[in-house]
Amino acid sequence: AQKITQTQPGMFVQEKEAVTLDCTYDTSDQSYGLFWYKQPSSGEMIFLIYQGSYDEQNATEGRYSLNFQKARKSANLVISASQLGDSAMYFCAMPLGGSNYKLTFGKGTLLTVNP
Amino acid sequence: GAVVSQHPSRVICKSGTSVKIECRSLDFQATTMFWYRQFPKQSLMLMATSNEGSKATYEQGVEKDKFLINHASLTLSTLTVTSAHPEDSSFYICSAPSTGTSGPIEDQYFGPGTRLLVL
Repeated sequence: AQKITQTQPGMFVQEKEAVTLDCTYDTSDQSYGLFWYKQPSSGEMIFLIYQGSYDEQNATEGRYSLNFQKARKSANLVISASQLGDSAMYFCAMPLGGSNYKLTFGKGTLLTVNP
Repeated sequence: GAVVSQHPSRVICKSGTSVKIECRSLDFQATTMFWYRQFPKQSLMLMATSNEGSKATYEQGVEKDKFLINHASLTLSTLTVTSAHPEDSSFYICSAPSTGTSGPIEDQYFGPGTRLLVL
């Protein structure tokens, strides 16, 4: 069964600095994907970035990049040049199996960006 | 871009009453939708898969008689919490792939969520 582990309940970063949010996973599937979502206090889930297990390059989307280390089963999210609006919960997720769209989520990391 | 809406955004009800939550895909057809529940300061947990024109598929531990799901059209799924109790108070979120179940894996959109408080 798939399992996502996020070990950082909370992280603090200074505005304009970079921050890394950790995510490790466990799966027996040969082909899989990892997602990162942002959830502001309003509650909506905002898709940030996706990495497929067979993608050779680490995914990047603007200020977001994914440090994917398959051998270590880690998919850490790097946010560069943090902004105050980045303060939110961040969830790592992967498909549960049987469907690409049924997701299992980690417990999340609450990121606070300080001015 | 694709949009998924939920109604109501917030509901307060008395214990023992039933509450219906709607999830709509506004500009695409969704043969499948997913319902999640999120307790305060916790993660999202998948409750069930809503299938248009057929019965929903529930995850282990989710009471199908308590959480009734109806996917009556290609743009609407409803979740009814029957005989709600305070422990059902939670944030309920739906999601829908915009390109069926075989499209790009990133093409899934979440609704804004419904906060349910049962007194």
